[in-house]
Amino acid sequence: AQSVAQPEDQVNVAEGNPLTVKCTYSVSGNPYLFWYVQYPNRGLQFLLKYITGDNLVKGSYGFEAEFNKSQTSFHLKKPSALVSDSALYFCAVRDSSASKIIFGSGTRLSIRP
Amino acid sequence: DTGVSQDPRHKITKRGQNVTFRCDPISEHNRLYWYRQTLGQGPEFLTYFQNEAQLEKSRLLSDRFSAERPKGSFSTLEIQRTEQGDSAMYLCASSKSWTAGWEKLFFGSGTQLSVL
Repeated sequence: AQSVAQPEDQVNVAEGNPLTVKCTYSVSGNPYLFWYVQYPNRGLQFLLKYITGDNLVKGSYGFEAEFNKSQTSFHLKKPSALVSDSALYFCAVRDSSASKIIFGSGTRLSIRP
Repeated sequence: DTGVSQDPRHKITKRGQNVTFRCDPISEHNRLYWYRQTLGQGPEFLTYFQNEAQLEKSRLLSDRFSAERPKGSFSTLEIQRTEQGDSAMYLCASSKSWTAGWEKLFFGSGTQLSVL
Protein backbone atom coordinates (compact mmCIF):
# COMPACT_ATOMS: atom_id res chain seq x y z
CA ALA A 1 0.00 0.00 0.00
CA GLN A 2 1.12 3.52 -0.70
CA SER A 3 2.07 5.61 2.31
CA VAL A 4 4.04 8.65 3.41
CA ALA A 5 5.66 9.44 6.73
CA GLN A 6 6.47 12.81 8.22
CA PRO A 7 8.97 12.19 11.03
CA GLU A 8 8.69 15.65 12.61
CA ASP A 9 5.55 16.88 14.35
CA GLN A 10 6.96 20.40 14.51
CA VAL A 11 9.70 22.39 12.83
CA ASN A 12 10.85 25.75 14.20
CA VAL A 13 12.84 28.16 12.03
CA ALA A 14 13.88 31.79 12.33
CA GLU A 15 12.60 34.16 9.68
CA GLY A 16 15.06 34.51 6.81
CA ASN A 17 16.64 31.10 7.40
CA PRO A 18 16.20 28.16 5.04
CA LEU A 19 13.60 25.59 6.01
CA THR A 20 13.15 21.89 5.34
CA VAL A 21 10.10 19.79 6.14
CA LYS A 22 10.82 16.08 5.79
CA CYS A 23 8.79 13.36 4.11
CA THR A 24 9.57 9.76 3.21
CA TYR A 25 7.42 7.55 1.05
CA SER A 26 6.66 3.91 0.44
CA VAL A 27 5.08 2.99 -2.88
CA SER A 28 4.78 0.17 -5.35
CA GLY A 29 5.45 1.42 -8.83
CA ASN A 30 6.18 5.00 -9.75
CA PRO A 31 5.67 7.56 -7.00
CA TYR A 32 3.25 10.44 -7.45
CA LEU A 33 3.99 12.80 -4.56
CA PHE A 34 2.46 16.05 -3.35
CA TRP A 35 2.66 18.72 -0.71
CA TYR A 36 -0.38 20.50 0.70
CA VAL A 37 -0.52 23.35 3.23
CA GLN A 38 -3.21 24.19 5.78
CA TYR A 39 -3.24 27.74 7.08
CA PRO A 40 -5.20 28.53 10.27
CA ASN A 41 -8.97 28.68 9.62
CA ARG A 42 -8.50 27.93 5.93
CA GLY A 43 -8.87 24.84 3.81
CA LEU A 44 -6.01 22.67 2.63
CA GLN A 45 -4.22 24.08 -0.41
CA PHE A 46 -2.15 22.35 -3.05
CA LEU A 47 1.51 23.44 -3.08
CA LEU A 48 3.31 21.26 -5.59
CA LYS A 49 3.64 17.81 -7.11
CA TYR A 50 6.20 15.36 -8.40
CA ILE A 51 5.15 13.02 -11.20
CA THR A 52 8.30 12.48 -13.23
CA GLY A 53 11.22 14.47 -14.56
CA ASP A 54 13.40 16.88 -12.62
CA ASN A 55 14.09 15.91 -9.04
CA LEU A 56 13.63 19.51 -7.90
CA VAL A 57 10.02 20.61 -8.19
CA LYS A 58 8.95 24.23 -7.79
CA GLY A 59 5.60 25.18 -6.34
CA SER A 60 3.56 28.01 -4.90
CA TYR A 61 4.76 30.70 -2.47
CA GLY A 62 8.44 30.08 -3.24
CA PHE A 63 8.42 26.49 -2.01
CA GLU A 64 10.22 23.66 -3.74
CA ALA A 65 10.60 19.96 -3.05
CA GLU A 66 13.46 17.59 -3.70
CA PHE A 67 12.69 14.05 -4.82
CA ASN A 68 15.33 11.46 -3.89
CA LYS A 69 14.65 7.98 -5.17
CA SER A 70 17.51 6.24 -3.36
CA GLN A 71 16.43 7.68 -0.01
CA THR A 72 12.69 7.46 -0.83
CA SER A 73 12.32 11.04 0.32
CA PHE A 74 10.42 14.10 -0.87
CA HIS A 75 11.47 16.96 1.39
CA LEU A 76 9.85 20.38 1.18
CA LYS A 77 12.24 23.34 1.15
CA LYS A 78 12.35 27.10 1.00
CA PRO A 79 15.55 29.18 0.85
CA SER A 80 14.30 31.99 3.12
CA ALA A 81 11.40 31.49 5.53
CA LEU A 82 8.69 34.06 6.16
CA VAL A 83 6.56 34.39 9.29
CA SER A 84 3.53 33.93 7.00
CA ASP A 85 4.78 30.43 6.11
CA SER A 86 3.72 29.26 9.57
CA ALA A 87 1.14 26.56 8.91
CA LEU A 88 0.51 22.82 8.88
CA TYR A 89 2.17 21.00 5.99
CA PHE A 90 1.08 17.63 4.65
CA CYS A 91 3.00 15.30 2.39
CA ALA A 92 0.77 13.08 0.26
CA VAL A 93 0.93 10.25 -2.26
CA ARG A 94 -1.43 9.07 -4.97
CA ASP A 95 -2.80 5.62 -4.23
CA SER A 96 -2.08 2.73 -6.57
CA SER A 97 -5.57 2.75 -8.07
CA ALA A 98 -5.14 6.43 -9.00
CA SER A 99 -8.41 7.26 -7.33
CA LYS A 100 -7.43 9.19 -4.22
CA ILE A 101 -4.70 10.99 -2.32
CA ILE A 102 -3.29 9.58 0.93
CA PHE A 103 -1.98 12.14 3.39
CA GLY A 104 0.75 12.01 6.00
CA SER A 105 0.20 13.05 9.59
CA GLY A 106 1.42 16.58 9.04
CA THR A 107 4.23 18.83 10.29
CA ARG A 108 3.55 22.11 12.01
CA LEU A 109 5.97 24.76 10.76
CA SER A 110 6.55 27.73 13.03
CA ILE A 111 8.57 30.69 11.80
CA ARG A 112 9.72 33.11 14.52
CA PRO A 113 10.40 36.77 13.67
CA ASP B 1 -13.80 29.84 -8.92
CA THR B 2 -16.13 30.39 -6.02
CA GLY B 3 -14.38 27.63 -4.14
CA VAL B 4 -15.67 24.58 -2.29
CA SER B 5 -18.22 25.45 0.36
CA GLN B 6 -19.31 23.31 3.28
CA ASP B 7 -22.25 23.73 5.57
CA PRO B 8 -22.48 23.95 8.52
CA ARG B 9 -19.09 25.12 9.75
CA HIS B 10 -19.74 23.68 13.18
CA LYS B 11 -22.15 21.05 14.47
CA ILE B 12 -22.67 20.02 18.07
CA THR B 13 -24.87 17.01 18.63
CA LYS B 14 -25.70 14.48 21.30
CA ARG B 15 -24.63 10.88 21.05
CA GLY B 16 -27.16 8.82 19.14
CA GLN B 17 -28.46 11.67 16.98
CA ASN B 18 -28.18 11.78 13.20
CA VAL B 19 -26.31 14.57 11.44
CA THR B 20 -26.01 15.62 7.81
CA PHE B 21 -23.37 17.78 6.19
CA ARG B 22 -23.47 19.43 2.80
CA CYS B 23 -20.69 20.15 0.31
CA ASP B 24 -20.92 22.31 -2.80
CA PRO B 25 -17.90 21.69 -5.05
CA ILE B 26 -16.44 23.98 -7.67
CA SER B 27 -19.00 23.91 -10.46
CA GLU B 28 -16.97 22.34 -13.25
CA HIS B 29 -15.37 19.70 -11.03
CA ASN B 30 -16.74 16.20 -11.48
CA ARG B 31 -14.82 14.48 -8.67
CA LEU B 32 -15.87 15.01 -5.08
CA TYR B 33 -14.10 13.61 -2.03
CA TRP B 34 -14.92 13.34 1.65
CA TYR B 35 -12.11 13.15 4.19
CA ARG B 36 -12.07 13.17 7.98
CA GLN B 37 -9.38 14.86 10.05
CA THR B 38 -8.78 14.56 13.77
CA LEU B 39 -6.39 16.69 15.81
CA GLY B 40 -2.78 15.88 15.09
CA GLN B 41 -3.58 13.66 12.13
CA GLY B 42 -3.70 14.08 8.41
CA PRO B 43 -6.92 13.86 6.41
CA GLU B 44 -8.25 10.30 6.22
CA PHE B 45 -10.09 9.25 3.05
CA LEU B 46 -13.76 8.36 3.49
CA THR B 47 -15.30 8.17 0.03
CA TYR B 48 -15.37 9.75 -3.41
CA PHE B 49 -17.72 10.38 -6.31
CA GLN B 50 -17.16 10.84 -9.99
CA ASN B 51 -20.23 12.69 -11.19
CA GLU B 52 -23.11 11.05 -9.34
CA ALA B 53 -21.45 7.64 -8.98
CA GLN B 54 -19.88 6.70 -5.65
CA LEU B 55 -16.78 4.87 -6.86
CA GLU B 56 -14.99 4.05 -3.62
CA LYS B 57 -15.71 3.91 0.07
CA SER B 58 -13.12 3.37 2.77
CA ARG B 59 -13.21 -0.09 4.34
CA LEU B 60 -12.78 1.62 7.69
CA LEU B 61 -16.05 3.46 7.23
CA SER B 62 -18.87 2.29 9.44
CA ASP B 63 -22.29 1.45 7.98
CA ARG B 64 -23.57 4.43 9.95
CA PHE B 65 -21.97 6.69 7.35
CA SER B 66 -23.61 7.32 4.01
CA ALA B 67 -22.91 9.82 1.27
CA GLU B 68 -24.85 10.90 -1.78
CA ARG B 69 -24.34 13.09 -4.78
CA PRO B 70 -27.70 12.79 -6.52
CA LYS B 71 -27.23 15.09 -9.50
CA GLY B 72 -23.48 15.12 -9.72
CA SER B 73 -23.29 18.54 -8.12
CA PHE B 74 -23.55 18.99 -4.34
CA SER B 75 -23.02 16.09 -1.94
CA THR B 76 -24.29 15.18 1.50
CA LEU B 77 -22.63 13.08 4.17
CA GLU B 78 -24.92 11.61 6.82
CA ILE B 79 -23.83 10.01 10.05
CA GLN B 80 -26.49 7.99 11.84
CA ARG B 81 -26.50 7.25 15.57
CA THR B 82 -23.46 9.41 16.20
CA GLU B 83 -20.78 8.29 18.64
CA GLN B 84 -18.19 10.33 20.49
CA GLY B 85 -15.51 8.82 18.26
CA ASP B 86 -17.15 10.52 15.28
CA SER B 87 -16.01 13.91 16.58
CA ALA B 88 -13.69 15.30 13.90
CA MET B 89 -13.35 17.81 11.10
CA TYR B 90 -15.11 16.56 7.97
CA LEU B 91 -13.48 17.87 4.82
CA CYS B 92 -14.85 18.00 1.31
CA ALA B 93 -12.67 18.41 -1.77
CA SER B 94 -13.26 18.52 -5.51
CA SER B 95 -11.19 18.17 -8.66
CA LYS B 96 -11.43 17.56 -12.40
CA SER B 97 -10.92 13.95 -13.40
CA TRP B 98 -10.41 14.65 -17.07
CA THR B 99 -7.15 16.51 -16.60
CA ALA B 100 -3.73 15.08 -15.83
CA GLY B 101 -3.71 17.12 -12.64
CA TRP B 102 -6.75 15.58 -10.94
CA GLU B 103 -4.62 15.21 -7.82
CA LYS B 104 -4.87 18.96 -7.29
CA LEU B 105 -7.72 18.82 -4.83
CA PHE B 106 -9.55 21.98 -3.83
CA PHE B 107 -10.69 21.73 -0.22
CA GLY B 108 -13.48 23.40 1.65
CA SER B 109 -12.99 24.81 5.15
CA GLY B 110 -14.64 21.77 6.68
CA THR B 111 -17.41 20.98 9.13
CA GLN B 112 -16.29 20.53 12.74
CA LEU B 113 -18.45 17.88 14.43
CA SER B 114 -18.56 17.57 18.20
CA VAL B 115 -20.51 14.65 19.66
CA LEU B 116 -21.35 15.08 23.34
